[in-house]
Amino acid sequence: GAVVSQHPSWVICKSGTSVKIECRSLDFQATTMFWYRQFPKQSLMLMATSNEGSKATYEQGVEKDKFLINHASLTLSTLTVTSAHPEDSSFYICSAIAGHLGLSPLHFGNGTRLTVT
Amino acid sequence: AQSVSQHNHHVILSEAASLELGCNYSYGGTVNLFWYVQYPGQHLQLLLKYFSGDPLVKGIKGFEAEFIKSKFSFNLRKPSVQWSDTAEYFCADLDGTSGGGADGLTFGKGTHLIIQP
Repeated sequence: GAVVSQHPSWVICKSGTSVKIECRSLDFQATTMFWYRQFPKQSLMLMATSNEGSKATYEQGVEKDKFLINHASLTLSTLTVTSAHPEDSSFYICSAIAGHLGLSPLHFGNGTRLTVT
Repeated sequence: AQSVSQHNHHVILSEAASLELGCNYSYGGTVNLFWYVQYPGQHLQLLLKYFSGDPLVKGIKGFEAEFIKSKFSFNLRKPSVQWSDTAEYFCADLDGTSGGGADGLTFGKGTHLIIQP
């Protein structure tokens, strides 16, 4: 079945540094990738939608200059948390689809736990 | 590590039939369970969630789920489905061991439900 690999699975960084998270579709070409954030005891929050070769579409309230998303190829999207602060500590998860939303199922990565000290 | 299993990858039902989608989780500690739905052309929507209390959880659109600790299950049910319930359904387990911060979320592979008129 379709596999989405997310790396790293766990990262600890110091306040003020930047962290890059990679999301790769291993056995299919992902036309669209989604980035989410999981807050404790809440439902998943969609941060942005990224299509290969174009700028990401951010959800309201998500700072595009802080959460940089790049979708350079059909198999790779990256999320960079710039100048990270402790409040950015969270669980970030990506998902990818091979076709159009609604026609193709979502495939989720295993997520990245980010802790900013 | 957590894992979430959805055994039915494709389910086809007729309108007015009863629905039960299976979900089993592996983690034996604190459970925080979700069911999400992805309607055609739309993104994820939360159907219901269970953190504690009454193991029978009522969600939106007539859906409910029952948490059975002894079976590590959180099956989704609906007594009478409609054509508009055609969608992809995802079960998810949130690792709440940290009590806050970067909780990890694990999704099942999803169940594609088709309701025939």
